Amino acid sequence: AQSVTQPDARVTVSEGASLQLRCKYSSSGTPYLFWYVQYPRQGLQLLLKYYSGDPVVQGVNGFEAEFSKSNSSFHLRKASVHWSDSAVYFCVLRMVSGSFNKLTFGAGTRLAVCP
Amino acid sequence: GPKVLQIPSHQIIDMGQMVTLNCDPVSNHLYFYWYKQILGQQMEFLVNFYNGKVMEKSKLFKDQFSVERPDGSYFTLKIQPTALEDSAVYFCASSLDQDTQYFGPGTRLLVL
Repeated sequence: AQSVTQPDARVTVSEGASLQLRCKYSSSGTPYLFWYVQYPRQGLQLLLKYYSGDPVVQGVNGFEAEFSKSNSSFHLRKASVHWSDSAVYFCVLRMVSGSFNKLTFGAGTRLAVCP
Repeated sequence: GPKVLQIPSHQIIDMGQMVTLNCDPVSNHLYFYWYKQILGQQMEFLVNFYNGKVMEKSKLFKDQFSVERPDGSYFTLKIQPTALEDSAVYFCASSLDQDTQYFGPGTRLLVL
C-alpha cells in the first residue's frame, strides 16, 4: 500500500524567512511525487514534480523539492517566503505501475506567513 | 495554467435527494477524476474515467455514485440517493495523459 505523511499540519514563518515543508512517502514501486498548493477557494495548483534524475527539482515561484530514496522523503523548500505563499500545501504520490494513475494525498500543511 | 471549472461551488440538499456535480475539464484532456475531501481529513481518490468508461474506483465510490461524460459536455458525478456521510468537498481533475492532473476549485456538498 502507498501512503504520504505530512507531519506538520500547520507551519508559521515570518516573511523573508526560509521554509521547509516535510513529506514522507511509502510505496512498493517507483514513485512519482508532486507538490500542489491550494489557495482559498481555488483548485490545487501544481508547484513541481519529480519523476527521476536530479533529486532536486525546481518549481514555480522559487519553490524546490529534494527527493531522497534512502529517507523516503520529498521535502519542499523555499529560500525566502512571501506573504502570498500563505496557503495549504499537499504532497502527492503516484505509483508508476499498478493503479491507473491514482494519486495518494498527504493531509496537507497549512502555511501562514506573517509580516 | 489550464483551468478546470466546477459547478456549483456549493450545494445544500436533503438526505435522500439526488445531486449532480458538474466538472468542466480542460478542453483537450482525456482522463478525468473525482476526489473527495471530508472536512479535516485527507483528500481521497474516488474514481477515474477514460474513453467513456470507469477505469478504477475506490471503496469510497459507493453504488449510489455514478459518473459520465456525454460527448462535449460536463464530466458529472451523480449521487442518488445522498446520505449524511456524503457531505464533503468534491474535487474534479483532468489530465491529457497519465501525467499531471489539473484540479478544479471543488464543490462543497452539505447533506442535511
